Amino acid sequence: DSGVTQTPKHLITATGQRVTLRCSPRSGDLSVYWYQQSLDQGLQFLIQYYNGEERAKGNILERFSAQQFPDLHSELNLSSLELGDSALYFCASSVAGHGHTFGSGTRLTVV
Amino acid sequence: GDSVTQMEGPVTLSEEAFLTINCTYTATGYPSLFWYVQYPGEGLQLLLKATKADDKGSNKGFEATYRKETTSFHLEKGSVQVSDSAVYFCALLYNNNDMRFGAGTRLTVKP
Repeated sequence: DSGVTQTPKHLITATGQRVTLRCSPRSGDLSVYWYQQSLDQGLQFLIQYYNGEERAKGNILERFSAQQFPDLHSELNLSSLELGDSALYFCASSVAGHGHTFGSGTRLTVV
Repeated sequence: GDSVTQMEGPVTLSEEAFLTINCTYTATGYPSLFWYVQYPGEGLQLLLKATKADDKGSNKGFEATYRKETTSFHLEKGSVQVSDSAVYFCALLYNNNDMRFGAGTRLTVKP
């Protein structure tokens, strides 16, 4: 157990729908990162939050949004889903200088 | 900007063979360097890291040495096992909190 908790583990939904993925960071970690991993295995950085504030944006679609709450958990909202959004979505948290700790991911399947 | 380049896969080896996965980096400063491993169906786990030049990170029989002169952090293992089959990611830490990941190298070890 890495200490980073992601729910749900699996999600199957239809095109056009909206889903919310949840991440609880490791205790004490202020930064939360979201990544998308497609079948070709590469990691795409989506967005980072630090202590409730958006800090960096990567290749995140306008249909996707995220937030970090006062208790530091984060949610990634994916809307108007398309078949191509099917992927693994990972959350990671970090403390300065020590690299990322990853959750086990949410596998999203859009049908 | 800072970046990481790792050898393309997939890599297929027989059990007990020697493994090298090449990783080179580009950075303006002196980043910390990491190898992460992703076993099938799981999230990324930290395998080893090195924080300064000439440091050697090691774990589970894997080793990597931070070479500033060649800007490299190659992953090696003397005798791979079937259980080492996974995707391996090289990464660097910059700005004390942000990471850049390589594209990942899939390793398959056959009995």
